[in-house]
Amino acid sequence: GENVEQHPSTLSVQEGDSAVIKCTYSDSASNYFPWYKQELGKGPQLIIDIRSNVGEKKDQRIAVTLNKTAKHFSLHITETQPEDSAVYFCAASTRITGNMLTFGGGTRLMVKP
Amino acid sequence: GAVVSQHPSRVICKSGTSVKIECRSLDFQATTMFWYRQFPKQSLMLMATSNEGSKATYEQGVEKDKFLINHASLTLSTLTVTSAHPEDSSFYICSASSNEQFFGPGTRLTVL
Repeated sequence: GENVEQHPSTLSVQEGDSAVIKCTYSDSASNYFPWYKQELGKGPQLIIDIRSNVGEKKDQRIAVTLNKTAKHFSLHITETQPEDSAVYFCAASTRITGNMLTFGGGTRLMVKP
Repeated sequence: GAVVSQHPSRVICKSGTSVKIECRSLDFQATTMFWYRQFPKQSLMLMATSNEGSKATYEQGVEKDKFLINHASLTLSTLTVTSAHPEDSSFYICSASSNEQFFGPGTRLTVL
C-alpha cells in the first residue's frame, strides 16, 4: 500500500519568513495530493491540493509543487503569520473520486511574532 | 460549501457504555464517508470506509463489532463505540467525500 513520509515533524519560523514542508510517497499510481491544516481541537481543513498532471499550484501565500519522477511534493508558505501556526498534513491518494487518503505524519508549524 | 458536521463535539462516558457519534454532510451528498481516529500528537489513522447503503470496510486491526458504522443516507453516517474502555479515548474525525474529502470538526471521546 501507499506510504507517505513527511518532514520536518516540527518547524519554527519567524513571522514573515517562508516555511517549507516536504513529503514523499511510495505508490507511483497516486495522482492526488492534498494538504490539510489542523488547528488544536479541530478537524483538518483542506488548504490546497494538486493533481498529478500539474507540477505546481499557487493560492496567494500558499504553493504546492509536485515531482512525480522523484515521488515527492512540497508545501510552501510565504510571508508567514502567527495565525499560520498549526499542524499541517500532506496526503496522497490513487483516486480523486471518493478517494482514500494516506496521511503523512504531520508537521507542527510555529510562527513566532 | 462542503460543510461536514459532527455531533457531539465532546463526550465523557463511563467504561462499559456505548457512545454514538454522528457525521453529517450539510450541503452536499457524500457517496463515501470515512472514519478516522487521532491520538495526541499523531496523524489521522483510517478506521473504516463506508458507502451509503452498504457495509463498511474496516482497516486491519479495527474491530468491526466494537466500532459499529451505519451509513443510512447520503448525508449521514454514525459511528458507535460499543462497550467503551479507557483505551478507546481519542479524537474521532469523520470525512465526507463526493470528490475531495471534507472533514468534520472531530469528537473528543473520554472514557473514564
